[in-house]
Amino acid sequence: ETGVTQSPTHLIKTRGQQVTLRCSSQSGHNTVSWYQQALGQGPQFIFQYYREEENGRGNFPPRFSGLQFPNYSSELNVNALELDDSALYLCASSSGPTTGVVDNSPLHFGNGTRLTVT
Amino acid sequence: GQQVMQIPQYQHVQEGEDFTTYCNSSTTLSNIQWYKQRPGGHPVFLIQLVKSGEVKKQKRLTFQFGEAKKNSSLHITATQTTDVGTYFCALRKGAQKLVFGQGTRLTINP
Repeated sequence: ETGVTQSPTHLIKTRGQQVTLRCSSQSGHNTVSWYQQALGQGPQFIFQYYREEENGRGNFPPRFSGLQFPNYSSELNVNALELDDSALYLCASSSGPTTGVVDNSPLHFGNGTRLTVT
Repeated sequence: GQQVMQIPQYQHVQEGEDFTTYCNSSTTLSNIQWYKQRPGGHPVFLIQLVKSGEVKKQKRLTFQFGEAKKNSSLHITATQTTDVGTYFCALRKGAQKLVFGQGTRLTINP
């Protein structure tokens, strides 16, 4: 069983630039969520993809966008980077909803991408 | 902002002492999950509680879900240095969104 992998592990960008982060989900998982974790804080939900469609979004501006591919891997894109975007970006996969549309399955996180915006 | 209050924010103990972290919500929860994040690591799923008053044990860890399903606790008996990390509770808000508490950071004096 292959776990969740993220790339790159670290990234340094300048304010105003754009960044793409990548995630390969755990085998057998069809749902991917992205979280932003600032230092000393809990992970904050950005959005979730299920079968290539965004099916949930947190309180993040539209410059945060994403994609999920047919093999369930995913990308997180952030445009017009701001200094406050500096954080650990975590991708998590899960097996998706088993009862109706509510997903109660646990999240399996990758090691994250540490983004620094200067 | 966060929908769940987790206390304490920090806890420092001597190795061998017990540790407890609490998670409180103003609304009734359908279920609650607990995660552990080691320093420099990523959150790792520990357990999910679903039933009112449910108690689950994993070796030295005891997880409890309140009778009213508005609070939960994680208790570690006789802490070891391997228990160091931040413990998060997480609750489901809406169909897809998992909301994490701020976490309790546990440090241990060997």
